[in-house]
Amino acid sequence: DAGITQSPRYKITETGRQVTLMCHQTWSHSYMFWYRQDLGHGLRLIYYSAAADITDKGEVPDGYVVSRSKTENFPLTLESATRSQTSVYFCASSRQGHNSPLHFGNGTRLTVT
Amino acid sequence: ILNVEQSPQSLHVQEGDSTNFTCSFPSSNFYALHWYRWETAKSPEALFVMTLNGDEKKKGRISATLNTKEGYSYLYIKGSQPEDSATYLCAFIKRHNAGNMLTFGGGTRLMVKP
Repeated sequence: DAGITQSPRYKITETGRQVTLMCHQTWSHSYMFWYRQDLGHGLRLIYYSAAADITDKGEVPDGYVVSRSKTENFPLTLESATRSQTSVYFCASSRQGHNSPLHFGNGTRLTVT
Repeated sequence: ILNVEQSPQSLHVQEGDSTNFTCSFPSSNFYALHWYRWETAKSPEALFVMTLNGDEKKKGRISATLNTKEGYSYLYIKGSQPEDSATYLCAFIKRHNAGNMLTFGGGTRLMVKP
């Protein structure tokens, strides 16, 4: 089925470990985004990508790395996880960026202990 | 950081009531405004993308209006039903934004009592 899927749904990791969150979409949308959701902050953009091999920082990029070697995949890596990165992470895609609605994945709940 | 404010933060209504809430955003350099509906334990779903001053959009019992000159958008729900219970998010993008970034408001949490 077409859609956008995130994995894993839940992840617990320790401080200092590297962890990668996966995002895959089957629509061939050009744009992909990573958001984090925290109480009191709403959804905040971490990184986004306008096309394969093009990525840009969002509002809160520190401590995260992204890549987009293929249009359909947009993994988010926490290089050395910290407790402040405990959050729910949402991946999203859109056809034309800000003129098109975002389609969100189901989210990954990450806990850093 | 752009300031996108939504009010009220939460709202309790009875089934059948009509309701509305507000999204306020900077009026200068407007480009687009999005509305999303976010049910608990699910992911946000797009309702509307609005780009023109005076735009009115409708989907079933839900409609939205846009005033870019004064920097606000209203979302209306006619005859609220329990299944309308969700958080409603608006998101704004500014023209000539250095990046392709939507700035989300904090949301209005709607609870509809049967």
